[in-house]
Amino acid sequence: AQSVTQLDSHVSVSEGTPVLLRCNYSSSYSPSLFWYVQHPNKGLQLLLKYTSAATLVKGINGFEAEFKKSETSFHLTKPSAHMSDAAEYFCVVRGISSNTGKLIFGQGTTLQVKP
Amino acid sequence: GAVVSQHPSWVICKSGTSVKIECRSLDFQATTMFWYRQFPKQSLMLMATSNEGSKATYEQGVEKDKFLINHASLTLSTLTVTSAHPEDSSFYICSARIYRGNSYEQYFGPGTRLTVT
Repeated sequence: AQSVTQLDSHVSVSEGTPVLLRCNYSSSYSPSLFWYVQHPNKGLQLLLKYTSAATLVKGINGFEAEFKKSETSFHLTKPSAHMSDAAEYFCVVRGISSNTGKLIFGQGTTLQVKP
Repeated sequence: GAVVSQHPSWVICKSGTSVKIECRSLDFQATTMFWYRQFPKQSLMLMATSNEGSKATYEQGVEKDKFLINHASLTLSTLTVTSAHPEDSSFYICSARIYRGNSYEQYFGPGTRLTVT
């Protein structure tokens, strides 16, 4: 069965410093992986996705993630945090082998950005 | 493109009444929509998968008679919380699926905050 584990429930960075949000996955198949962001009382916005193409995936707002099969990781990074990046971030894996499978969400990481 | 709307954005109702939440894909057609529930500071929990023109598929533990889902058209799915109780208070989020690039992507609505008094 597929699953994702977000290793940090809360990450705090200063504005202008790098962001690293960690995610490990478990999958019996070649996974499809996603990062979503949720601002307070808002729906989720897709940041980026990995679907077995390039292992380094670039997303919106300067975020990127690298798929590392040997480490079963899909960490989200950004070189320089902005105040507007403060939000909840979810690492997500698509379930089963079909690309129409259900999304399985991690528990989320709250990103705090300090001025 | 790929915008999903929900209505209402928030609703307060009395215990025992029913509430309907609408989910619309504004600029695309979605044969499949999903309904999630999110408790404060927690992740999203899939409640059911809604397919246009057929019965919804509910996740284990979700009462289908309490959470009625209707996907009457390719752009509209509704969730009705029947005989609502305070424990049904939550943030309900819908999502619509579209095939884009080389895979399916899900786009999420802004959510509906339900408070049952």
